[in-house]
Amino acid sequence: EADIYQTPRYLVIGTGKKITLECSQTMGHDKMYWYQQDPGMELHLIHYSYGVNSTEKGDLSSESTVSRIRTEHFPLTLESARPSHTSQYLCASSDPGTGRNTIYFGEGSWLTVV
Amino acid sequence: AQRVTQPEKLLSVFKGAPVELKCNYSYSGSPELFWYVQYSRQRLQLLLRHISRESIKGFTADLNKGETSFHLKKPFAQEEDSAMYYCALSNNAGNMLTFGGGTRLMVKP
Repeated sequence: EADIYQTPRYLVIGTGKKITLECSQTMGHDKMYWYQQDPGMELHLIHYSYGVNSTEKGDLSSESTVSRIRTEHFPLTLESARPSHTSQYLCASSDPGTGRNTIYFGEGSWLTVV
Repeated sequence: AQRVTQPEKLLSVFKGAPVELKCNYSYSGSPELFWYVQYSRQRLQLLLRHISRESIKGFTADLNKGETSFHLKKPFAQEEDSAMYYCALSNNAGNMLTFGGGTRLMVKP
């Protein structure tokens, strides 16, 4: 079934650890995004990609990095996690053919850094 | 810079009452506005977009460029409308979607 998948859904890790949040979509979308959302707060775009080998920073500065080696895969990495990185991370993708910026979201990854 | 403001964090109404969730924006270009909804334990999903001029689940939203608003309305709220609602603005390039802070709608029986 065409969808967008995020793993892990929940992660608790210690300070200084390296983590990668996985995101995969089976909809064939070129554009993919990472949003960060603290509980009860706004969604902020932290990274986006137009396609393979394309990555751009969003409107909120983030210490995380992303890569886009395959169309369907857009992982987000934190080299050294800190408590300030505790948040929900939402992956999304869009297809211009269905209407500009109709964005489809994954279920989110809740990250807690202790 | 583009910005979206939803002045109400929480809106509580009784079933059958009219609902209006406010959204104001600032953007120098020609805006494209959306409403997204997140029901309990579900992912964020598109509710409607202004270019479609559609009514979804009884909700409508009209873009008012003079007042830079895109308020979401429904004449008779239902309990199943309880959710988080986010207003969003797309830039002209279509590569950046800016969200408001969200409004939690609670519809009481």
